[in-house]
Amino acid sequence: GNSVTQMEGPVTLSEEAFLTINCTYTATGYPSLFWYVQYPGEGLQLLLKATKADDKGSNKGFEATYRKETTSFHLEKGSVQVSDSAVYFCALRANSGGYQKVTFGTGTKLQVIP
Amino acid sequence: GAVVSQHPSWVICKSGTSVKIECRSLDFQATTMFWYRQFPKQSLMLMATSNEGSKATYEQGVEKDKFLINHASLTLSTLTVTSAHPEDSSFYICSARSEVVFTDTQYFGPGTRLTVL
Repeated sequence: GNSVTQMEGPVTLSEEAFLTINCTYTATGYPSLFWYVQYPGEGLQLLLKATKADDKGSNKGFEATYRKETTSFHLEKGSVQVSDSAVYFCALRANSGGYQKVTFGTGTKLQVIP
Repeated sequence: GAVVSQHPSWVICKSGTSVKIECRSLDFQATTMFWYRQFPKQSLMLMATSNEGSKATYEQGVEKDKFLINHASLTLSTLTVTSAHPEDSSFYICSARSEVVFTDTQYFGPGTRLTVL
């Protein structure tokens, strides 16, 4: 079946540090890939997405490139801020059991300290 | 962006009682709604998918008689946990999608924390 594996957290960084959160996936066919962010006390929000190989999703300084050869969709940001502290979920959307279903990773908590 | 609300945000109930959780899409019509369950430090697990006016499709291992889902309109879906027990304590999250407007994107509610004593 489809699955998403992302690095365990928590990840603690100083402000302005470089961020990478690894994500790899297993899926049949050609999934769409997503990163969602969950700020404390709030629901999941779509951060960025990519729908085909070599696409780069970007938003709010975050980027992720759909790498089919390595089945990866790593999240990066060049300079994190305290306000980026949240839980980040990698996800894919693909056919499962005859209809489109979203499968999530376990989430990675990011804490940015001043 | 699209907004999805849930009510209540948290609920505490006694074992054996039933609890209803509402999920509303506030500024769009949701053709499909999803219910997830999230355990501490674990991923979101899809419980069921519902389309307006039709029966929900439950994932394998989810008891349909225990977790009743009703999608009565394009803006409202409810999840009723019947005869709740402590093992049902969890964080329940709904999500909505419009096949017309946001074909590839799901919007999530803030979640409902259920504690069964």
